[in-house]
Amino acid sequence: DAMVIQNPRYQVTQFGKPVTLSCSQTLNHNVMYWYQQKSSQAPKLLFHYYDKDFNNEADTPDNFQSRRPNTSFCFLDIRSPGLGDAAMYLCATSSTGVYGYTFGSGTRLTVV
Amino acid sequence: KQEVTQIPAALSVPEGENLVLNCSFTDSAIYNLQWFRQDPGKGLTSLLLIQSSQREQTSGRLNASLDKSSGRSTLYIAASQPGDSATYLCAVPGAGGGADGLTFGKGTHLIIQP
Repeated sequence: DAMVIQNPRYQVTQFGKPVTLSCSQTLNHNVMYWYQQKSSQAPKLLFHYYDKDFNNEADTPDNFQSRRPNTSFCFLDIRSPGLGDAAMYLCATSSTGVYGYTFGSGTRLTVV
Repeated sequence: KQEVTQIPAALSVPEGENLVLNCSFTDSAIYNLQWFRQDPGKGLTSLLLIQSSQREQTSGRLNASLDKSSGRSTLYIAASQPGDSATYLCAVPGAGGGADGLTFGKGTHLIIQP
């Protein structure tokens, strides 16, 4: 089945230690998104790639970066995780951004 | 700026009841509206996608309606079951399409009592 896969499902990292979360898709969608969701809150858009074009939300901290080496894969890098970065990170894809979104199962990040 | 509101924030009902979850949005110029389900600690599962030209969509016991002019959508769940317990989110894409991503409501936390 076509889908969005996030790895790992759970990630524990130390305060200040760089961490990378990955997302892959078999839908061949041209837009890939990263959302951050904290407990009992709505998902918050961090950034997205429209094809190879990277688009950062204005309030996304510089600590968060992303890479998209090809259509299928997208990575979220957190350069120096703080305790406030503990959250669920959701990857989503869409065809042009207006034909419905497909989400992965998420990565739960814990910072110790 | 688009704002999405969901009412109620939480709902607890006995098994077997029919129920309605509400979603409203401030900017009626939407491409579509999507309902998601989220189980605790999990990602989002798409339930229904209603295009702006449609009035409703059905999948099994779920029926979603859309009234663009009034900025409202409802998700109707028939014959609720304990397995329906989850948080239900509605979301709309921004006017900029891919550039805006989805704007979400805060969700309705639903508990179905056995």
